Parts: sequence; structure tokens; C-alpha cells
Amino acid sequence: AQKVTQAQTEISVVEKEDVTLDCVYETRDTTYYLFWYKQPPSGELVFLIRRNSFDEQNEISGRYSWNFQKSTSSFNFTITASQVVDSAVYFCALSGTQGAQKLVFGQGTRLTINP
Amino acid sequence: EAGVAQSPRYKIIEKRQSVAFWCNPISGHATLYWYQQILGQGPKLLIQFQNNGVVDDSQLPKDRFSAERLKGVDSTLKIQPAKLEDSAVYLCASSLDRWDRVEAFFGQGTRLTVV
Repeated sequence: AQKVTQAQTEISVVEKEDVTLDCVYETRDTTYYLFWYKQPPSGELVFLIRRNSFDEQNEISGRYSWNFQKSTSSFNFTITASQVVDSAVYFCALSGTQGAQKLVFGQGTRLTINP
Repeated sequence: EAGVAQSPRYKIIEKRQSVAFWCNPISGHATLYWYQQILGQGPKLLIQFQNNGVVDDSQLPKDRFSAERLKGVDSTLKIQPAKLEDSAVYLCASSLDRWDRVEAFFGQGTRLTVV
């Protein structure tokens, strides 16, 4: 069975601070995909990134960066110089690469950026 | 490109009543998902279609929930009769069937309140 754990339920920081959201996953699949989604107060889940299990390169997109470590089954997300607009609930998710490929989500981390 | 469309945005019903939700996926997306998101939790997959066939409905409470995808495009999710614990946001998502574009794109959801 697949499982995603986001141990941080809520994080609150002051604007311009860096913040890291943790994600640990469990799967028996040898190949899989990992995702991060953002859910602002409007409710829509916004896709941020997809990572294939065979690609362990870290990725940076503007103020966002992702650290994928297969050895520790982690896929952490860092926001540099946080802004108030980053306030949202962030979800880490996992899917297989064969068959139905359903997305399994973690419980989410509510991030609040205070001015 | 238009996103995933869902209606209605909000619905309040009494327990034991029936309700239906509608979803129009992104054009060309073969896979369609219905997720249930209870307040404070991550989304949970209810049913997944590939074209108009069901590929996963293992977590759909089939005694009260039903879903169909007509002609492999639009989809409806029905609850009959509703229970108090069905209060949640129902999210529809769609994705391409390509190995390099597996990410799901979500609609704004329908917030259901059962009283």
C-alpha cells in the first residue's frame, strides 16, 4: 500500500523567512511519481511539481525548490524568502507508474506567512 | 486552455436527500477522478475513469454513491441518500494518459453540507 506522511500540520513564519515542508512516503513500487500541490483559500488544488522516482535531481523554480532523497523516502519542499501570498495548505502526493496510477495524498501542511 | 469545470460550487441538503455533482474535464484528458476532501484532511479518491470505463472505485461507498462518465467526457457523481458524514468538498480532476504528463488538474470543487 502507498502512504504519504506530512508530519507538520501547521507552520507559521514571518514574511521573508525560508520555510521547508516535509514529506515522507511509503511505496513498494520500484517506479513512482511524487507531486506537490498548493490549495489556497479558494479551494482549488494547484499543481506545483511532478518528480519521477528515477530522477533524483533537485529542482528549483524561482523561490521554490524541491529536495528528493530516495534513500530516506523524502520529497521536501522549500520556499525561500516567503511571501504572504504563499499562505495555503500544501499537499504532497504519490502515484504509481503502472495501472490506475491513483494519487495518494498526505494530510497537508497549513502554511501561514505573517506580514 | 479551459480548466476543469465543476458545478454547483456549494450545496446544502438535508440528510436522506439526494444530490448530484457535475464535472467537465480539460479537453483531451482521458482520465477523470472524483476525490472527497473532508475538512482538515487530504483528498481521498472515490472513483477513477479512463475514457468511460472505471479503473478504480475501491473506495466508493457503492450503497449510496454512484458515478458515470458519459461518452468519455463529462461526469456526474450522485449521493443517494446523503448522510451527515458526507459533508465534504468533492473535487473533480483530469489528466492526460502520457507518461510525461501524468499530473492531475483539479476543479474548484463542490462544497457539500448535509444537515
